[in-house]
Amino acid sequence: AQTVTQSQPEMSVQEAETVTLSCTYDTSENNYYLFWYKQPPSRQMILVIRQEAYKQQNATENRFSVNFQKAAKSFSLKISDSQLGDTAMYFCAFMTRGANSKLTFGKGITLSVRP
Amino acid sequence: DADVTQTPRNRITKTGKRIMLECSQTKGHDRMYWYRQDPGLGLQLIYYSFDVKDINKGEISDGYSVSRQAQAKFSLSLESAIPNQTALYFCATSDLAKNIQYFGAGTRLSVL
Repeated sequence: AQTVTQSQPEMSVQEAETVTLSCTYDTSENNYYLFWYKQPPSRQMILVIRQEAYKQQNATENRFSVNFQKAAKSFSLKISDSQLGDTAMYFCAFMTRGANSKLTFGKGITLSVRP
Repeated sequence: DADVTQTPRNRITKTGKRIMLECSQTKGHDRMYWYRQDPGLGLQLIYYSFDVKDINKGEISDGYSVSRQAQAKFSLSLESAIPNQTALYFCATSDLAKNIQYFGAGTRLSVL
């Protein structure tokens, strides 16, 4: 079974600064996907970024980038130039490849961006 | 209009009542999911369906049932609601090609 661990329950960052959210996972699979989802106070779950394990290049989406360390089973999210709208819960998630794949979520981290 | 629509958005009910949460999607995806979110626990999978004739239990299916009425509709029922089923419930659909799940806005359920 896969597990996803987000050990920091909450973090705070000053507006315009950079923050990194940590995530580790455990799996015996070699091919899989990793995701970061954002849940703002509106409670909508929004996909932030997606990484395919077979790709060595780290995924980026505008101000969001990941540091994917496959051997260490680590998948951290870096938010650059933090904005007030980045205030939200962030969930790391794992999915195996294949017909019966399902998402496994971490417990989430609450990020607060201070003005 | 939202691609994944959940109704109702909020619901308060009493212990022992039967309640149904509905989900519809316009994304044309075959795969649909129901999750439950509790504070500090992330999202846990209740049931999932890979097509109209396929229903599977997730991690926490006890006390819940589902119905896949059509490709676009997947409903979750609580036959006899209990207070520890108070939670935020999400429906999601999946794009098999990209393996990305898209979520509805959630239903906040309170069982008194």
